[in-house]
Amino acid sequence: GENVEQHPSTLSVQEGDSAVIKCTYSDSASNYFPWYKQELGKGPQLIIDIRSNVGEKKDQRIAVTLNKTAKHFSLHITETQPEDSAVYFCAASSQGAQKLVFGQGTRLTINP
Amino acid sequence: GAVVSQHPSRVICKSGTSVKIECRSLDFQATTMFWYRQFPKQSLMLMATSNEGSKATYEQGVEKDKFLINHASLTLSTLTVTSAHPEDSSFYICSARLRGTGNTEAFFGQGTRLTVV
Repeated sequence: GENVEQHPSTLSVQEGDSAVIKCTYSDSASNYFPWYKQELGKGPQLIIDIRSNVGEKKDQRIAVTLNKTAKHFSLHITETQPEDSAVYFCAASSQGAQKLVFGQGTRLTINP
Repeated sequence: GAVVSQHPSRVICKSGTSVKIECRSLDFQATTMFWYRQFPKQSLMLMATSNEGSKATYEQGVEKDKFLINHASLTLSTLTVTSAHPEDSSFYICSARLRGTGNTEAFFGQGTRLTVV
């Protein structure tokens, strides 16, 4: 089955700098890769996703890149703000697979 | 995005009693809902996949007689923790995927913090 590895587990960044979180997946059939932000005591919130027919997607300060050959995808947050502090999870699923497989999570801290 | 509502957000129950958690998709039909469990500082652990009108599919190691799942309609799934014990204390989260062909987005409820005393 699918296995998703996420790095780093913790990331501390100065406000205004960029943050990058990376994930690798094992199943070449996976074709959907969402990213979630989870604040303390709340459920995960979908922030951006990408499908395997594109290599990059951007939404304001957030972007995701996908390298199908290498089987890895990354989340990029630019001009970080204190409210970006949270735990971020990547996930993957394949066509026909109902469930998402999650990475281990990255605790992002933005230092003012 | 679509809204998934989970209730209650917090519940405290006595050991040996049962607790029901509801998960509703408010503005879309969810053929499939998922139930997760999350321990502090850990990732989401899938417990079971719930399909409307059929029996849930449980992940390995999850006791189906302890965690009863009912998905009676396209907008409601319930998780009942039966004979709860302190080790069942955790954060339970439901998720629903948009109905449709292909890979669709999954949206999560707010989570339920269960404390068994």
